[in-house]
Amino acid sequence: GQNIDQPTEMTATEGAIVQINCTYQTSGFNGLFWYQQHAGEAPTFLSYNVLDGLEEKGRFSSFLSRSKGYSYLLLKELQMKDSASYLCAVVDSNYQLIWGAGTKLIIKP
Amino acid sequence: IAGITQAPTSQILAAGRRMTLRCTQDMRHNAMYWYRQDLGLGLRLIHYSNTAGTTGKGEVPDGYSVSRANTDDFPLTLASAVPSQTSVYFCASSPRTGGTDTQYFGPGTRLTVL
Repeated sequence: GQNIDQPTEMTATEGAIVQINCTYQTSGFNGLFWYQQHAGEAPTFLSYNVLDGLEEKGRFSSFLSRSKGYSYLLLKELQMKDSASYLCAVVDSNYQLIWGAGTKLIIKP
Repeated sequence: IAGITQAPTSQILAAGRRMTLRCTQDMRHNAMYWYRQDLGLGLRLIHYSNTAGTTGKGEVPDGYSVSRANTDDFPLTLASAVPSQTSVYFCASSPRTGGTDTQYFGPGTRLTVL
């Protein structure tokens, strides 16, 4: 079967750095997405990785290791508005998106 | 309108009733999708459409049907609602098919079936 694993919940402090991990076992791989979803709202796109390595975009960075079936999302200089769920999704061999259950990130002052 | 809209925002429905969730996008995207999101589970694909006039089944299509008469609209119909269809429903679109394009999501419809 296909599986995406993320921690259910994480807590971090305002101004700190947090790393949200995602491991996957899928039938094939054609890329990995990270989306942000605030409570009661729609998911919005954060990043897309298809090659190994780190992609940096402002305070957010996303890393991929295809050989390890692993990705992480790194959030720096945390702000209260970063409190949200972060969804990892993998594009499988059929070009279908397989979604993880999401990681709820709680930011404390 | 800009982006994707969904209607209604929320609905309480008696079991056995028929219900259509509406979705409209104005970005001229080819691909559209319907997902349901339940607590503790990832987004699950119900149906999708790669282009106007075509539709396909996703991971959890039973009890749902869709149509794509034109580029902009992609309604989802529950023929006879059951309590297990209580969920938040998101419509999404992407410029192209193939899964590697960013998907843009509507605001969601919260459906409760009693």
